[in-house]
Amino acid sequence: EAQVTQNPRYLITVTGKKLTVTCSQNMNHEYMSWYRQDPGLGLRQIYYSMNVEVTDKGDVPEGYKVSRKEKRNFPLILESPSPNQTSLYFCASSFDRYEQYFGPGTRLTVT
Amino acid sequence: AQSVSQHNHHVILSEAASLELGCNYSYGGTVNLFWYVQYPGQHLQLLLKYFSGDPLVKGIKGFEAEFIKSKFSFNLRKPSVQWSDTAEYFCAVNPDNTDKLIFGTGTRLQVFP
Repeated sequence: EAQVTQNPRYLITVTGKKLTVTCSQNMNHEYMSWYRQDPGLGLRQIYYSMNVEVTDKGDVPEGYKVSRKEKRNFPLILESPSPNQTSLYFCASSFDRYEQYFGPGTRLTVT
Repeated sequence: AQSVSQHNHHVILSEAASLELGCNYSYGGTVNLFWYVQYPGQHLQLLLKYFSGDPLVKGIKGFEAEFIKSKFSFNLRKPSVQWSDTAEYFCAVNPDNTDKLIFGTGTRLQVFP
């Protein structure tokens, strides 16, 4: 089954404790992206990747890092999480950048 | 800056009513346009898309959208909504010379039986 998986689905952590949210897709897509969804703000793009070792900033990259060492994986790294990064995070992938397939989301709470 | 506006934040309808959700974008060049839907507790799914050609595009579940270039709009329509259409709807724009997908803030639709 074609899918985008994210782990963990729910995470509660404390300020400053490094964390990684994994994202994996099994569709051999070249394009992958991370978004955060906040009430009243919709989805905002954090980072995206056009292919292995090719990443670029989206609209809200501050406080986040990504890597794309393999085509199927695109982890999101928060080196020092802060409460304003409490949000619902979605990973997405697509063959090109157009029709994106979204993962189930990761609800992160930073206290 | 490029942006996407969805002016209807919350829409409440009865079953069988007609639906129109507004979407406007601010970008003067060529764009690719999308509507995504997020059902309660689920992830986003593509509803329909427009790249070029006929400005009236049909999507899944009886939805359609019309691209009006002169108005920078891509409104979503459905003649008769169902309770199962209760969801949040997001308009998204890909400016043709970028790799970004810019989302609107979303419209929450509630349909009552």
